[in-house]
Amino acid sequence: GAGVSQSPSNKVTEKGKDVELRCDPISGHTALYWYRQSLGQGLEFLIYFQGNSAPDKSGLPSDRFSAERTGGSVSTLTIQRTQQEDSAVYLCASSLSGQDNYGYTFGSGTRLTVV
Amino acid sequence: GQNIDQPTEMTATEGAIVQINCTYQTSGFNGLFWYQQHAGEAPTFLSYNVLDGLEEKGRFSSFLSRSKGYSYLLLKELQMKDSASYLCAVRKPYSGAGSYQLTFGKGTKLSVIP
Repeated sequence: GAGVSQSPSNKVTEKGKDVELRCDPISGHTALYWYRQSLGQGLEFLIYFQGNSAPDKSGLPSDRFSAERTGGSVSTLTIQRTQQEDSAVYLCASSLSGQDNYGYTFGSGTRLTVV
Repeated sequence: GQNIDQPTEMTATEGAIVQINCTYQTSGFNGLFWYQQHAGEAPTFLSYNVLDGLEEKGRFSSFLSRSKGYSYLLLKELQMKDSASYLCAVRKPYSGAGSYQLTFGKGTKLSVIP
């Protein structure tokens, strides 16, 4: 596609429920990143995909968080047993190879609210 | 570790010039990026510096001093639409199974007033 697409744009869920966030990167981009942006905080790295593999999962905050990528394209970030501290905007970004000199192209994010 | 500092908020007048500073202390360096983020929108790429010096792109310029761990973004002829958050980010060198991830500062919220 022309840009990075994320869905849903907004998600309100009850504490303890599982949620799935979807990212559709720019076609042909092999590198895909998930970041989290909380109020008053900088973007926090979660996980990096190169193709379908995730060589860097160091930012996932707990084992309730997982992500996968299929076909070298769409990625899904799953949060199990959501907690209120998981409320944030989850941003996905992609780049051609990861070492591009324009950084990433971001999606508009999914605003997750856990009540 | 990674530590990136930038002012939380700034206010400037339409038509003026504003400089947004960023200092960083990181384990490894492979480029510094500036992004603009309007409220509720995705961050968008503004500039990239990997060598010392000034990069100019229209009304926006970005400067880097690697020895000082310092960068600034200069915005000239400010317009109301420049009101946004400006994010400074440092890229680490690739390291085996690692990634080219960017580490972001908390952003500087710029308000442009008439």
